[in-house]
Amino acid sequence: AQSVSQHNHHVILSEAASLELGCNYSYGGTVNLFWYVQYPGQHLQLLLKYFSGDPLVKGIKGFEAEFIKSKFSFNLRKPSVQWSDTAEYFCAVNAYNQGGKLIFGQGTELSVKP
Amino acid sequence: EPEVTQTPSHQVTQMGQEVILRCVPISNHLYFYWYRQILGQKVEFLVSFYNNEISEKSEIFDDQFSVERPDGSNFTLKIRSTKLEDSAMYFCASNNGGLAVPYEQYFGPGTRLTVT
Repeated sequence: AQSVSQHNHHVILSEAASLELGCNYSYGGTVNLFWYVQYPGQHLQLLLKYFSGDPLVKGIKGFEAEFIKSKFSFNLRKPSVQWSDTAEYFCAVNAYNQGGKLIFGQGTELSVKP
Repeated sequence: EPEVTQTPSHQVTQMGQEVILRCVPISNHLYFYWYRQILGQKVEFLVSFYNNEISEKSEIFDDQFSVERPDGSNFTLKIRSTKLEDSAMYFCASNNGGLAVPYEQYFGPGTRLTVT
């Protein structure tokens, strides 16, 4: 069965610090990969996605993620975080041609101190 | 920008009662999903729905659960006889891509269900 692991449950950073959130998945076939963000009191919103092509994908608000197939990883990065990045971040995987469902990681809560 | 909406935002019910959670997907979307998140745990897939029938369901989605698209706009999740362990945030999502195509799913704000 597919599964997704996010290694960090709660990350606390100061503004301007760099961010990297880990995400690993287990599935042997082709996958589509997503990072969603949930700001306090708001919907889950898509940050970025990877389907194919360049493994380094850029998303909204200066976020990027790199798909490393050999490591089954899709880590999220941002060079300089802002207070407004405080939110919960979810990595999700969809196994290609296995239905549309998303398998989520447990989420990482990011707190950015001003 | 179109949004998925869900009502109510918070539902409190007694164990054994039936609840219906409502969702209005984005109007031109064809694929609908329910997920849930128990406090402190992962977001879990419950069911996907297309062309007026269930496409896939998880093992969580047992006989106590049902989904319906009663009209052209609403998509509902019914829990027939709620249990304490059904307490969770329930998210509805929709997309227009398909079950084999990796289109983004758009999520609603969720309904927090509390079973007492």
